[in-house]
Amino acid sequence: AQSVSQHNHHVILSEAASLELGCNYSYGGTVNLFWYVQYPGQHLQLLLKYFSGDPLVKGIKGFEAEFIKSKFSFNLRKPSVQWSDTAEYFCAVTGTGGSYIPTFGRGTSLIVHP
Amino acid sequence: GAGVSQSPSNKVTEKGKDVELRCDPISGHTALYWYRQRLGQGLEFLIYFQGNSAPDKSGLPSDRFSAERTGESVSTLTIQRTQQEDSAVYLCASSLAGNYEQYFGPGTRLTVT
Repeated sequence: AQSVSQHNHHVILSEAASLELGCNYSYGGTVNLFWYVQYPGQHLQLLLKYFSGDPLVKGIKGFEAEFIKSKFSFNLRKPSVQWSDTAEYFCAVTGTGGSYIPTFGRGTSLIVHP
Repeated sequence: GAGVSQSPSNKVTEKGKDVELRCDPISGHTALYWYRQRLGQGLEFLIYFQGNSAPDKSGLPSDRFSAERTGESVSTLTIQRTQQEDSAVYLCASSLAGNYEQYFGPGTRLTVT
Protein backbone atom coordinates (compact mmCIF):
# COMPACT_ATOMS: atom_id res chain seq x y z
CA ALA A 1 0.00 0.00 0.00
CA GLN A 2 1.24 3.46 -0.75
CA SER A 3 1.80 6.04 1.96
CA VAL A 4 3.09 9.57 2.33
CA SER A 5 4.88 10.96 5.36
CA GLN A 6 5.21 14.63 6.13
CA HIS A 7 7.39 14.79 9.19
CA ASN A 8 6.97 18.48 9.94
CA HIS A 9 3.43 19.00 11.17
CA HIS A 10 3.87 22.59 12.28
CA VAL A 11 6.50 25.03 11.06
CA ILE A 12 6.88 28.61 12.24
CA LEU A 13 9.21 30.96 10.42
CA SER A 14 9.97 34.63 10.17
CA GLU A 15 9.72 36.41 6.84
CA ALA A 16 12.77 35.98 4.60
CA ALA A 17 13.71 32.69 6.23
CA SER A 18 14.30 29.70 4.00
CA LEU A 19 11.79 26.88 3.94
CA GLU A 20 12.09 23.16 3.42
CA LEU A 21 9.15 20.85 4.06
CA GLY A 22 9.85 17.15 4.03
CA CYS A 23 7.83 14.57 2.10
CA ASN A 24 8.68 10.88 1.88
CA TYR A 25 6.58 8.30 0.13
CA SER A 26 6.28 4.56 -0.03
CA TYR A 27 5.17 3.08 -3.31
CA GLY A 28 6.16 0.01 -5.30
CA GLY A 29 6.48 1.54 -8.74
CA THR A 30 6.95 4.75 -10.67
CA VAL A 31 5.17 7.72 -9.22
CA ASN A 32 3.70 11.11 -9.89
CA LEU A 33 4.24 13.58 -7.05
CA PHE A 34 2.34 16.68 -6.05
CA TRP A 35 2.33 19.50 -3.56
CA TYR A 36 -1.00 21.13 -2.83
CA VAL A 37 -1.50 24.27 -0.76
CA GLN A 38 -4.50 25.57 1.15
CA TYR A 39 -4.34 29.24 2.09
CA PRO A 40 -6.59 30.36 4.95
CA GLY A 41 -10.19 30.45 3.79
CA GLN A 42 -9.36 29.16 0.32
CA HIS A 43 -9.63 25.89 -1.61
CA LEU A 44 -6.86 23.38 -1.91
CA GLN A 45 -4.88 24.18 -5.03
CA LEU A 46 -2.00 22.62 -6.88
CA LEU A 47 1.37 24.18 -6.09
CA LEU A 48 3.57 21.98 -8.27
CA LYS A 49 3.84 18.50 -9.73
CA TYR A 50 6.41 16.00 -10.91
CA PHE A 51 5.64 13.44 -13.59
CA SER A 52 9.00 12.72 -15.23
CA GLY A 53 12.13 14.42 -16.52
CA ASP A 54 14.02 17.06 -14.57
CA PRO A 55 13.70 16.09 -10.92
CA LEU A 56 13.78 19.74 -9.86
CA VAL A 57 10.37 21.22 -10.53
CA LYS A 58 9.28 24.80 -10.10
CA GLY A 59 5.83 25.88 -9.10
CA ILE A 60 3.94 29.04 -8.42
CA LYS A 61 5.06 31.78 -6.04
CA GLY A 62 8.72 30.82 -6.09
CA PHE A 63 8.29 27.32 -4.70
CA GLU A 64 10.29 24.39 -5.99
CA ALA A 65 10.56 20.71 -5.14
CA GLU A 66 13.18 18.09 -5.82
CA PHE A 67 12.41 14.45 -6.50
CA ILE A 68 15.16 12.22 -5.13
CA LYS A 69 14.27 8.72 -6.22
CA SER A 70 16.89 6.99 -4.07
CA LYS A 71 15.47 8.65 -0.96
CA PHE A 72 11.79 8.35 -1.97
CA SER A 73 11.54 12.05 -1.22
CA PHE A 74 9.93 15.12 -2.75
CA ASN A 75 10.80 18.00 -0.45
CA LEU A 76 9.32 21.44 -0.97
CA ARG A 77 11.59 24.48 -0.79
CA LYS A 78 11.45 28.22 -0.98
CA PRO A 79 14.53 30.39 -0.42
CA SER A 80 12.72 33.29 1.23
CA VAL A 81 9.22 32.99 2.64
CA GLN A 82 6.65 35.74 2.90
CA TRP A 83 3.82 36.28 5.35
CA SER A 84 1.43 35.37 2.51
CA ASP A 85 2.91 31.84 2.40
CA THR A 86 1.11 31.06 5.64
CA ALA A 87 -0.95 28.01 4.70
CA GLU A 88 -1.38 24.26 4.99
CA TYR A 89 0.80 22.24 2.61
CA PHE A 90 0.00 18.72 1.48
CA CYS A 91 2.22 16.26 -0.35
CA ALA A 92 0.53 13.59 -2.50
CA VAL A 93 1.53 10.64 -4.65
CA THR A 94 -0.12 8.57 -7.37
CA GLY A 95 1.14 5.66 -9.38
CA THR A 96 1.64 6.11 -13.09
CA GLY A 97 -0.28 3.08 -14.27
CA GLY A 98 -3.61 4.79 -14.75
CA SER A 99 -4.60 5.01 -11.08
CA TYR A 100 -5.64 8.58 -10.54
CA ILE A 101 -6.44 8.27 -6.85
CA PRO A 102 -3.75 10.06 -4.84
CA THR A 103 -2.53 9.30 -1.37
CA PHE A 104 -2.04 12.44 0.70
CA GLY A 105 0.22 13.18 3.59
CA ARG A 106 -1.32 14.62 6.74
CA GLY A 107 -0.15 18.11 5.89
CA THR A 108 2.20 20.72 7.31
CA SER A 109 0.90 23.90 8.81
CA LEU A 110 3.23 26.80 7.99
CA ILE A 111 2.98 30.08 9.86
CA VAL A 112 5.14 32.95 8.70
CA HIS A 113 5.52 35.88 11.06
CA PRO A 114 5.98 39.33 9.48
CA GLY B 1 -14.86 29.92 -15.25
CA ALA B 2 -16.72 28.42 -12.33
CA GLY B 3 -14.83 26.14 -10.04
CA VAL B 4 -15.98 23.14 -8.04
CA SER B 5 -18.81 24.06 -5.70
CA GLN B 6 -20.08 22.23 -2.67
CA SER B 7 -23.14 22.63 -0.51
CA PRO B 8 -23.87 23.15 2.25
CA SER B 9 -20.70 24.83 3.46
CA ASN B 10 -21.51 23.82 7.03
CA LYS B 11 -23.82 21.17 8.38
CA VAL B 12 -24.60 20.42 12.00
CA THR B 13 -26.64 17.30 12.60
CA GLU B 14 -27.64 15.10 15.46
CA LYS B 15 -26.17 11.67 15.88
CA GLY B 16 -28.28 9.10 14.06
CA LYS B 17 -29.60 11.46 11.39
CA ASP B 18 -28.87 11.08 7.68
CA VAL B 19 -27.07 13.83 5.74
CA GLU B 20 -26.57 14.57 2.06
CA LEU B 21 -23.64 16.55 0.77
CA ARG B 22 -23.57 17.93 -2.75
CA CYS B 23 -20.77 18.55 -5.23
CA ASP B 24 -20.95 20.37 -8.56
CA PRO B 25 -17.77 19.68 -10.54
CA ILE B 26 -16.22 21.88 -13.18
CA SER B 27 -18.10 21.54 -16.46
CA GLY B 28 -16.39 18.99 -18.70
CA HIS B 29 -14.58 17.25 -15.88
CA THR B 30 -15.49 13.61 -16.14
CA ALA B 31 -13.61 12.51 -13.02
CA LEU B 32 -14.94 13.31 -9.56
CA TYR B 33 -13.48 12.44 -6.16
CA TRP B 34 -14.73 12.62 -2.59
CA TYR B 35 -12.36 12.91 0.36
CA ARG B 36 -12.72 13.22 4.10
CA GLN B 37 -10.40 15.37 6.17
CA ARG B 38 -10.50 14.97 9.91
CA LEU B 39 -8.98 17.63 12.11
CA GLY B 40 -5.20 17.52 11.90
CA GLN B 41 -5.22 14.72 9.36
CA GLY B 42 -4.55 14.39 5.67
CA LEU B 43 -7.14 13.80 3.00
CA GLU B 44 -8.71 10.36 3.14
CA PHE B 45 -10.00 9.07 -0.20
CA LEU B 46 -13.62 7.95 -0.16
CA ILE B 47 -14.89 7.36 -3.71
CA TYR B 48 -13.96 8.07 -7.34
CA PHE B 49 -16.23 8.46 -10.35
CA GLN B 50 -14.93 8.42 -13.93
CA GLY B 51 -17.43 8.97 -16.68
CA ASN B 52 -19.86 6.09 -16.99
CA SER B 53 -17.51 3.53 -15.45
CA ALA B 54 -18.39 1.82 -12.19
CA PRO B 55 -17.20 4.01 -9.32
CA ASP B 56 -14.23 3.04 -7.19
CA LYS B 57 -15.77 2.76 -3.73
CA SER B 58 -12.71 1.28 -2.08
CA GLY B 59 -12.31 4.18 0.34
CA LEU B 60 -15.79 4.22 1.82
CA PRO B 61 -15.32 3.51 5.55
CA SER B 62 -18.61 1.71 6.13
CA ASP B 63 -21.91 0.83 4.48
CA ARG B 64 -23.39 3.96 6.04
CA PHE B 65 -21.58 5.92 3.35
CA SER B 66 -22.75 6.01 -0.25
CA ALA B 67 -22.42 8.33 -3.21
CA GLU B 68 -24.11 8.84 -6.52
CA ARG B 69 -23.33 10.84 -9.58
CA THR B 70 -25.73 11.92 -12.28
CA GLY B 71 -23.95 11.42 -15.57
CA GLU B 72 -20.89 13.64 -15.57
CA SER B 73 -22.35 16.32 -13.35
CA VAL B 74 -23.57 16.61 -9.80
CA SER B 75 -22.63 14.12 -7.13
CA THR B 76 -24.16 13.55 -3.71
CA LEU B 77 -22.46 11.88 -0.77
CA THR B 78 -24.92 10.40 1.71
CA ILE B 79 -24.05 9.42 5.26
CA GLN B 80 -26.72 7.44 7.03
CA ARG B 81 -27.14 7.21 10.80
CA THR B 82 -24.35 9.71 11.40
CA GLN B 83 -21.90 9.11 14.22
CA GLN B 84 -19.68 11.59 16.03
CA GLU B 85 -16.61 10.17 14.30
CA ASP B 86 -18.12 11.27 10.98
CA SER B 87 -17.41 14.88 11.97
CA ALA B 88 -14.93 16.18 9.40
CA VAL B 89 -14.56 18.36 6.33
CA TYR B 90 -15.76 16.54 3.22
CA LEU B 91 -13.96 17.66 0.09
CA CYS B 92 -14.90 17.12 -3.51
CA ALA B 93 -12.51 17.42 -6.44
CA SER B 94 -12.85 17.03 -10.18
CA SER B 95 -10.46 16.58 -13.07
CA LEU B 96 -10.38 16.03 -16.79
CA ALA B 97 -10.24 12.44 -17.93
CA GLY B 98 -6.70 11.10 -17.87
CA ASN B 99 -5.42 14.12 -15.98
CA TYR B 100 -3.83 13.81 -12.57
CA GLU B 101 -4.41 17.44 -11.57
CA GLN B 102 -7.44 17.82 -9.37
CA TYR B 103 -9.47 20.94 -8.68
CA PHE B 104 -10.94 21.09 -5.22
CA GLY B 105 -14.13 22.57 -3.89
CA PRO B 106 -14.35 24.55 -0.64
CA GLY B 107 -15.57 21.56 1.33
CA THR B 108 -18.50 20.88 3.63
CA ARG B 109 -17.78 21.00 7.34
CA LEU B 110 -19.93 18.34 9.00
CA THR B 111 -20.42 18.37 12.75
CA VAL B 112 -22.30 15.53 14.39
CA THR B 113 -23.53 16.36 17.88
